[in-house]
Amino acid sequence: QQQVKQSPQSLIVQKGGISIINCAYENTAFDYFPWYQQFPGKGPALLIAIRPDVSEKKEGRFTISFNKSAKQFSLHIMDSQPGDSATYFCAASMAGGKLIFGQGTELSVKP
Amino acid sequence: EAGVAQSPRYKIIEKRQSVAFWCNPISGHATLYWYQQILGQGPKLLIQFQNNGVVDDSQLPKDRFSAERLKGVDSTLKIQPAKLEDSAVYLCASSLHWTANTGELFFGEGSRLTVL
Repeated sequence: QQQVKQSPQSLIVQKGGISIINCAYENTAFDYFPWYQQFPGKGPALLIAIRPDVSEKKEGRFTISFNKSAKQFSLHIMDSQPGDSATYFCAASMAGGKLIFGQGTELSVKP
Repeated sequence: EAGVAQSPRYKIIEKRQSVAFWCNPISGHATLYWYQQILGQGPKLLIQFQNNGVVDDSQLPKDRFSAERLKGVDSTLKIQPAKLEDSAVYLCASSLHWTANTGELFFGEGSRLTVL
């Protein structure tokens, strides 16, 4: 119940395309869903986050879509660029709880 | 603003040896986390400190891992004795907020441990 399942494990997208990464959770007590971006040799950095009272949040080319009834959320990267090539982690947390990460998606954007 | 500092960046040891990692969080951040990231996996929380008190150490293998945060600032994570399966990147993170569901965690670049 504490897991966050992420797919796909790896993703190759052409420059200008849309990258989509999906996550699913079981614990309905989770109330905070961030996405972190990690470049090789660096620590993860917060990209965008959402709470379950909204169905979508957009920041620039990055959008989180949230489906509370299905217990799923996804990251969409519009107009993907080679500089977006990184590993992306979804995560979930609740009040008083730890931040639990998905397994990660390695994104490669081809020029 | 200086980020989270960690050292050493890389460490190679033989199994059954000991190793220690150091973390200096962002100034003013009361909450400090140590995560273990095994290659190809997401980070897993080992221990969370609030100032110098432990909030969560439920996934810390206490027979070999120990951590402390003296004076509520710097922290050290120690492994003794190390096993092959401890090969991973050890990430330190800090946050202004009391709980992980209220704001951003700031991560350091990590300490990569290889156990031979």
